Amino acid sequence: GQQLNQSPQSMFIQEGEDVSMNCTSSSIFNTWLWYKQDPGEGPVLLIALYKAGELTSNGRLTAQFGITRKDSFLNISASIPSDVGIYFCAGQLGGKLTFGQGTILTVHP
Amino acid sequence: DSGVTQTPKHLITATGQRVTLRCSPRSGDLSVYWYQQSLDQGLQFLIHYYNGEERAKGNILERFSAQQFPDLHSELNLSSLELGDSALYFCASRPRTGGTEAFFGQGTRLTVV
Repeated sequence: GQQLNQSPQSMFIQEGEDVSMNCTSSSIFNTWLWYKQDPGEGPVLLIALYKAGELTSNGRLTAQFGITRKDSFLNISASIPSDVGIYFCAGQLGGKLTFGQGTILTVHP
Repeated sequence: DSGVTQTPKHLITATGQRVTLRCSPRSGDLSVYWYQQSLDQGLQFLIHYYNGEERAKGNILERFSAQQFPDLHSELNLSSLELGDSALYFCASRPRTGGTEAFFGQGTRLTVV
């Protein structure tokens, strides 16, 4: 089945630093999505990407849909303490969403 | 607030029991997806329903079943529960298959003791 490799698994950064995480897949997707999950809550959609090569920003977040349709990255600029959480990438093909294993982000003030 | 409602928020039950988790999708959304999230794992896709019909199955155990009703709410039934079934169960809804992104509910935390 489809597999998503998300890296890094965890990150410890200082407030104000930029963050980058990515997902790669063995197969192509039609849509890439990035979610953030706070403890005890459901994942919340951050950014959706619909076309290969697409670069989309949402405030301090920027994500790109890879040209090969097999990868995507998410950048967070000037991190703040409330950026703490687990970030998931998800690839969509047909009716199925496949999630990466998540990147745990810790931001030290 | 995503607009997706899941009940109950927490559930504690004994091994061997059966429970039902409920999900109400966003108004107008036809698709409901169920996911399981264990402590050491990411989100595992279980099953997808669209307008009352099963569309796709993921890693769903035979002890688990789901359905989507005419009013589009969905229920996930977990039976003969085992300790390893303890997890967060999320549902997500989307307006149509192959369309836009999924919106998640807040999840049901199931603890099997």
